[in-house]
Amino acid sequence: DAKTTQPTSMDCAEGRAANLPCNHSTISGNEYVYWYRQIHSQGPQYIIHGLKNNETNEMASLIITEDRKSSTLILPHATLRDTAVYYCIVAGGATNKLIFGTGTLLAVQP
Amino acid sequence: GAVVSQHPSWVICKSGTSVKIECRSLDFQATTMFWYRQFPKQSLMLMATSNEGSKATYEQGVEKDKFLINHASLTLSTLTVTSAHPEDSSFYICSAYGTSGSWYQETQYFGPGTRLLVL
Repeated sequence: DAKTTQPTSMDCAEGRAANLPCNHSTISGNEYVYWYRQIHSQGPQYIIHGLKNNETNEMASLIITEDRKSSTLILPHATLRDTAVYYCIVAGGATNKLIFGTGTLLAVQP
Repeated sequence: GAVVSQHPSWVICKSGTSVKIECRSLDFQATTMFWYRQFPKQSLMLMATSNEGSKATYEQGVEKDKFLINHASLTLSTLTVTSAHPEDSSFYICSAYGTSGSWYQETQYFGPGTRLLVL
């Protein structure tokens, strides 16, 4: 499975957009980009995923570069409840295993 | 939709006893479930892949005789920690992957986790 690189931590002001980057330069053609988040002491929460097109749902938007080597998760209006560790994971193929890296700790500031 | 539950949410046991954790997909059928554990301030570590009706596949370094996994139906997988010791104390999390043909197919959904403390 391709590995991902994310910043260790980021801050964001409440009400502003949070843009979380992820590099996945070794992604292969059949692998998806998944984003999950984990709020302290809870199970990970699915946010969004995509293959090559940009995606949007009620939680976030996912922007994938044309070469698919990087992506950005956008939370359009961050709230204090969005403070969590955000994981960018590349997965696909036969096993569909999700291998978690260290993620980005997003701290939304009031 | 796509709700995964775990039971119990937390458990305290004495060293040497066995503990069973249940993982259920409540509103969809899951041919594949996964088990993870997470130590404090660390990321999730995949332990094993559980397929309905077949033996689980364990990740390297995970003792299959210590962590018994059973996936007897499309909505239930169980993890039994046998002869638990204090070093097995951790946060155990399961996830479920949808059956072919459903929109859940491409996505894993996680349970809320089970916190195990072995005294």
